[in-house]
Amino acid sequence: DAGVTQSPTHLIKTRGQQVTLRCSPKSGHDTVSWYQQALGQGPQFIFQYYEEEERQRGNFPDRFSGHQFPNYSSELNVNALLLGDSALYLCASSWRTMGLEQYFGPGTRLTVT
Amino acid sequence: GIQVEQSPPDLILQEGANSTLRCNFSDSVNNLQWFHQNPWGQLINLFYIPSGTKQNGRLSATTVATERYSLLYISSSQTTDSGVYFCAGSGGYQKVTFGTGTKLQVIP
Repeated sequence: DAGVTQSPTHLIKTRGQQVTLRCSPKSGHDTVSWYQQALGQGPQFIFQYYEEEERQRGNFPDRFSGHQFPNYSSELNVNALLLGDSALYLCASSWRTMGLEQYFGPGTRLTVT
Repeated sequence: GIQVEQSPPDLILQEGANSTLRCNFSDSVNNLQWFHQNPWGQLINLFYIPSGTKQNGRLSATTVATERYSLLYISSSQTTDSGVYFCAGSGGYQKVTFGTGTKLQVIP
């Protein structure tokens, strides 16, 4: 039973560039949530996708956008990168959108220089 | 949204000692999880426990939903228990909110 997978593992980008992160949910799950975790802090909710639509959104600017594909995998896009976007980006999957038990991927560590 | 407070923020234990971590919520939650984050950043599921008590080996957790708190017990701690422990919760269709974590260091 494959768990949640994310790619890439690490990424270095320059301020102003755009980045795309990818996530495949755990087998049997249909909902994907994205989180940003800055150093020394708890994960912060970015948004959640279910049935290919954004269902909930945290306090993040429109520079953060996403997509969910018919196979339930998801992408997180960040435009016009800022130094403050440097963080660990975590993807979580669950069944249905009611915030039931979530399983997390290993994360993508993004560094913006 | 829901506020989540964890205590203590830092904890140093001698190997073999027991500990209790606490998580307080500002409002009712019907989804509550405990996680252990290893040094590489992976969040490992410990318990999904919106109410009641569960045990898994040396770990156990209790959630008192009516009083809006949850406790994580670690018995006979080992060095491999080191890391950051997070609780996270949500009410109904609200977004999941994480606490600020308890950083645990178990020394031999």
